[in-house]
Amino acid sequence: TQLLEQSPQFLSIQEGENLTVYCNSSSVFSSLQWYRQEPGEGPVLLVTVVTGGEVKKLKRLTFQFGDARKDSSLHITAAQTGDTGLYLCAGLNYGGSQGNLIFGKGTKLSVKP
Amino acid sequence: NAGVTQTPKFQVLKTGQSMTLQCAQDMNHEYMSWYRQDPGMGLRLIHYSVGAGITDQGEVPNGYNVSRSTTEDFPLRLLSAAPSQTSVYFCASSPGDGTSTDTQYFGPGTRLTVL
Repeated sequence: TQLLEQSPQFLSIQEGENLTVYCNSSSVFSSLQWYRQEPGEGPVLLVTVVTGGEVKKLKRLTFQFGDARKDSSLHITAAQTGDTGLYLCAGLNYGGSQGNLIFGKGTKLSVKP
Repeated sequence: NAGVTQTPKFQVLKTGQSMTLQCAQDMNHEYMSWYRQDPGMGLRLIHYSVGAGITDQGEVPNGYNVSRSTTEDFPLRLLSAAPSQTSVYFCASSPGDGTSTDTQYFGPGTRLTVL
């Protein structure tokens, strides 16, 4: 069974601090997605990384896909209270459909003013 | 576009009762999926469908049935509810273009409690 390990599980920081969330696996994925989920809502896709070593930026969020396509990281610069939420990574197998996404357990981020 | 809609938002059942969770999408997406989300467990795939008339099992299918008679609707049936099925259920859809960047859209969820 393929697993995606996310760390840390919980993170509480002050506004303005930087943070990094990690998503690791022993398996190779064809792509990896990052979602953010707010309480009472469904996850919303932030980004998809496809190429090994790829770096994508979304305002203050930087996403990286490992060279071997087994791991990924999410870095937030100067966190804001609006960044609070559950961050989920999800990996897609080679040849798999979106029905075969494997999700990590999530990182619960709390940004305090 | 309403996107992905789910009903009901909340439901309380007694052990042994059956019910159907509704999911509909108005984006003409081919792929639809059902997940459950439990504390500390992340999202786990229950069943999915790659198009009308085609369904398949995910990671945790036991105790659940699905059907896909139309592109728009993908209901999830609990045959005989058990306390272990207490969870938040999410329906999702994606265009199904077969690429790695196919985007998945989630509904707002149904919070189910089985007593």
